[in-house]
Amino acid sequence: AQSVSQHNHHVILSEAASLELGCNYSYGGTVNLFWYVQYPGQHLQLLLKYFSGDPLVKGIKGFEAEFIKSKFSFNLRKPSVQWSDTAEYFCAVNAQDSNYQLIWGAGTKLIIKP
Amino acid sequence: NAGVTQTPKFQVLKTGQSMTLQCAQDMNHNSMYWYRQDPGMGLRLIYYSASEGTTDKGEVPNGYNVSRLNKREFSLRLESAAPSQTSVYFCASSGTEVSYEQYFGPGTRLTVT
Repeated sequence: AQSVSQHNHHVILSEAASLELGCNYSYGGTVNLFWYVQYPGQHLQLLLKYFSGDPLVKGIKGFEAEFIKSKFSFNLRKPSVQWSDTAEYFCAVNAQDSNYQLIWGAGTKLIIKP
Repeated sequence: NAGVTQTPKFQVLKTGQSMTLQCAQDMNHNSMYWYRQDPGMGLRLIYYSASEGTTDKGEVPNGYNVSRLNKREFSLRLESAAPSQTSVYFCASSGTEVSYEQYFGPGTRLTVT
């Protein structure tokens, strides 16, 4: 069965620090990969996605993620975080042979200190 | 386009009461989903509907029923609410574009006392 692991449940950074959130999945076939963000009190929204092509994908608000197939990883990065990036971040994976149902990581709560 | 809408936004129930959460999407998507979100557990799929007229159980279906009323609407019913069903419920939909990205509603915060 597919699974998604997010390594850190809580991350606290100061403004202007660099960010990397880890995401690993277990599935040997072709996958689509997503990062969703949930700002306090709001619903989930898509940050970025990978389904083919350049493994370095850029999303909204200066976020990017790199798909490394050999490591089954899709880590999220941002060079300089802002207080407004305080949110919970979820990694998710889907695949054709599981009817494209999303398998979710447990989430990482990111707190940015001003 | 409103995207995915959910009603109500908040609800408090007593144990044993019933209620229906409503979800509608205006993106002409085939697939719709109900999730619950609990702290530290990410999102867990309750039920989904791959197309109008079909529904299937997800990871945590016990205590819930669903109805895919038409292509736009997908409702979630709690027949006899329990405190363990206190959660935030999200509805989502997806189309058939290549990545099958899901779009989410604003959520319903349900408390069962």
